[in-house]
Amino acid sequence: DGGITQSPKYLFRKEGQNVTLSCEQNLNHDAMYWYRQDPGQGLRLIYYSQIVNDFQKGDIAEGYSVSREKKESFPLTVTSAQKNPTAFYLCASTGTDRMGSPLHFGNGTRLTVT
Amino acid sequence: AQSVSQHNHHVILSEAASLELGCNYSYGGTVNLFWYVQYPGQHLQLLLKYFSGDPLVKGIKGFEAEFIKSKFSFNLRKPSVQWSDTAEYFCAVNGPSGGYNKLIFGAGTRLAVHP
Repeated sequence: DGGITQSPKYLFRKEGQNVTLSCEQNLNHDAMYWYRQDPGQGLRLIYYSQIVNDFQKGDIAEGYSVSREKKESFPLTVTSAQKNPTAFYLCASTGTDRMGSPLHFGNGTRLTVT
Repeated sequence: AQSVSQHNHHVILSEAASLELGCNYSYGGTVNLFWYVQYPGQHLQLLLKYFSGDPLVKGIKGFEAEFIKSKFSFNLRKPSVQWSDTAEYFCAVNGPSGGYNKLIFGAGTRLAVHP
């Protein structure tokens, strides 16, 4: 079955360390996204990529970095510069064959930084 | 900047009660509107969407939503809720000013249905 795989499901890190969250999709989707979900704030867009080797900042990109070297993969690095990194991170993808195609989401990674 | 407002953060209903969750968005022009649902322990999934045409959209599990352009609203409704509808519901929109591939979400409404 096609889908989006995020790993790991839970991640714990010490403050000051960078950490990379994995996102892989086998849906042949061109566009991929990273969202952060916090209680009472919904989903906020961190970064998105519409094509390989290209990506754009979302609304809360500070303290994060991404790469898109392969169509299937869109890893997110949470750097030590991110002031409140503890959150639930969701990866999503969509085809760009029509305007406003629905997003397909992964199961998320819960990151805890202490 | 574009924004999406969901008026109710928490809603508690008894089974068989009717449901209406409010959603308003902040910008005009041609928009696409979505409702996503996140059941406990599961990933977000699409409930219904509006691109064009009939403003009353029917989705899965008996849900529907009505797009009222003059009110910038896209409220979600269900005539009779079930315990299994307990979940968090997110309204989302994309449009020309942010790019159709940039989906903006509301803060979510957590629905609890009691048997």
